[in-house]
Amino acid sequence: RKEVEQDPGPFNVPEGATVAFNCTYSNSASQSFFWYRQDCRKEPKLLMSVYSSGNEDGRFTAQLNRASQYISLLIRDSKLSDSATYLCVVTKTGGGADGLTFGKGTHLIIQP
Amino acid sequence: ETGVTQTPRHLVMGMTNKKSLKCEQHLGHNAMYWYKQSAKKPLELMFVYSLEERVENNSVPSRFSPECPNSSHLFLHLHTLQPEDSALYLCASSQRGIGFWGTDTQYFGPGTRLTVL
Repeated sequence: RKEVEQDPGPFNVPEGATVAFNCTYSNSASQSFFWYRQDCRKEPKLLMSVYSSGNEDGRFTAQLNRASQYISLLIRDSKLSDSATYLCVVTKTGGGADGLTFGKGTHLIIQP
Repeated sequence: ETGVTQTPRHLVMGMTNKKSLKCEQHLGHNAMYWYKQSAKKPLELMFVYSLEERVENNSVPSRFSPECPNSSHLFLHLHTLQPEDSALYLCASSQRGIGFWGTDTQYFGPGTRLTVL
């Protein structure tokens, strides 16, 4: 089983719609979770951290489900500028070569 | 943005060449990272430097050699690479150091797109 799995998509979504995608992880010792956004031929940039209680930043909501070992990202009222690849990152305190793992990313395309 | 810079941005090299990638962070961070991003694969963590500690991914071939002369600079020395090493090499930094690297926001440089002929 892969350590961090994401549906690669692409998700084709009309502008203004709500879209959600998940990321599952296999290491139950994982402690920190993030969503990064990567635009085409650009570097990844942090979108938001994911806290145990869930968190919201404007149109974006992130949630963590430890029991089922997944995190989710919900985007409301999607904009054309939301088109990007969304990377899930899972880490565990203490590092180690396996301490930080990226998913392959979910490709989102917002259509006018 | 000039938080994390990388040079060169593009590099084409033959399999017998020796080259180096450079990364510099201007954020006062305590950890620096090298990643490899290949098409259709997730970002792969290659090396981490956290203050005096170096952590490496054991699957990285020895033809890749990192160097961290100080907390602001990171190099990746390349020699006798293979065509399958062609990829985007990303450098990143984060505030937290030993024991906590990877647990906070990482700031990425623009990357070096490497092509090995």
